[in-house]
Amino acid sequence: AQSVTQLGSHVSVSEGALVLLRCNYSSSVPPYLFWYVQYPNQGLQLLLKYTTGATLVKGINGFEAEFKKSETSFHLTKPSAHMSDAAEYFCAVNRYNQGGKLIFGQGTELSVKP
Amino acid sequence: EAGVTQFPSHSVIEKGQTVTLRCDPISGHDNLYWYRRVMGKEIKFLLHFVKESKQDESGMPNNRFLAERTGGTYSTLKVQPAELEDSGVYFCASSQVVGHPTGELFFGEGSRLTVL
Repeated sequence: AQSVTQLGSHVSVSEGALVLLRCNYSSSVPPYLFWYVQYPNQGLQLLLKYTTGATLVKGINGFEAEFKKSETSFHLTKPSAHMSDAAEYFCAVNRYNQGGKLIFGQGTELSVKP
Repeated sequence: EAGVTQFPSHSVIEKGQTVTLRCDPISGHDNLYWYRRVMGKEIKFLLHFVKESKQDESGMPNNRFLAERTGGTYSTLKVQPAELEDSGVYFCASSQVVGHPTGELFFGEGSRLTVL
């Protein structure tokens, strides 16, 4: 069975500081990995995804994530936080034949302090 | 182009009552999904339609939940009778390509259900 663990339900950073949101997964088959973001009063939006190929993937708004198979991790990073990054972030996994049936982590609320 | 729209945005009902949530996917999207997030926990898959057919309903909690997608356009999710543990946010999502492997979904803003 697949599962996703996001470490830290709340993360707070200062504006301009590094953002690091942690995600570990378990999967018996090569996974597809995703980060979604939910801004206040909006639906979830795809931030970035890993399917195959390059393990460092870049997403929107300056975010990137690196797939590390040996560590079963897919941490999300951004070098410099902006106030507009305040949102809830969700890591998700699925298998190649599961289409849109995603398994989500519990979410991490990111706060950005001025 | 309009995104995925959900109605109502918030519904408050008494235990034992019935509620119907509606989802309008992006036009042309054959895949439609329902997900639920209960009490700040993880978002969980409920079911998947391909056009009007239920492809996978393995996540439906019990027979108090009924999902339909008449004509392969909008979908409804009915909870009857509602219980306290049904409270949460119900998300609808759609995607274009049947069998698309990469799981990129377009989500609505969610319908928050509160059962008192």
